[in-house]
Amino acid sequence: GAVVSQHPSWVICKSGTSVKIECRSLDFQATTMFWYRQFPKQSLMLMATSNEGSKATYEQGVEKDKFLINHASLTLSTLTVTSAHPEDSSFYICSARTTPEQYFGPGTRLTVT
Amino acid sequence: RKEVEQDPGPFNVPEGATVAFNCTYSNSASQSFFWYRQDCRKEPKLLMSVYSSGNEDGRFTAQLNRASQYISLLIRDSKLSDSATYLCVVTPFPDKLIFGTGTRLQVFP
Repeated sequence: GAVVSQHPSWVICKSGTSVKIECRSLDFQATTMFWYRQFPKQSLMLMATSNEGSKATYEQGVEKDKFLINHASLTLSTLTVTSAHPEDSSFYICSARTTPEQYFGPGTRLTVT
Repeated sequence: RKEVEQDPGPFNVPEGATVAFNCTYSNSASQSFFWYRQDCRKEPKLLMSVYSSGNEDGRFTAQLNRASQYISLLIRDSKLSDSATYLCVVTPFPDKLIFGTGTRLQVFP
């Protein structure tokens, strides 16, 4: 199946700093990528849909100025968590669509201290 | 009401047992349905799609009842390697996957 990578796989940062997470489709081009967040013992929640060459579409309740998404090429989308706080600590997972299904990256575990 | 509801479990079953998971969804306009498997601290992986006619893949059988907005997954002859969290996923709109909180399965020797 298609391969999606994420980098870094885990990151620890101090409160107030920004963190960038990369999502790459390795063997296919993805015009659309998705960013999810999963808190412990909860379901994956879609944060935003990232479209190559245009602005991301954010789900209700997700602050677009805090979670900056850039989809500059057909194989790369980035999520930047700006001014991170401890409540942003979570498991962030991206996915990329290649018909007929979505393929998920391995996730990035963010811990904000 | 949550869009997708699942019994969180855990279901603790011995090897060889048959176990069934249920899921209900609230949006009657949902078009596509899936079961994903998620291992601890890993990304979800597609287990199987779910069709109204029901479908089977080896030891796994999935059923969809649109009238009741109900989805099921049956696992026969459980293996230790089946231990994971099983996520019910519904697509009310194209590309938008709505995940349930998952049902945890633990298979013991």
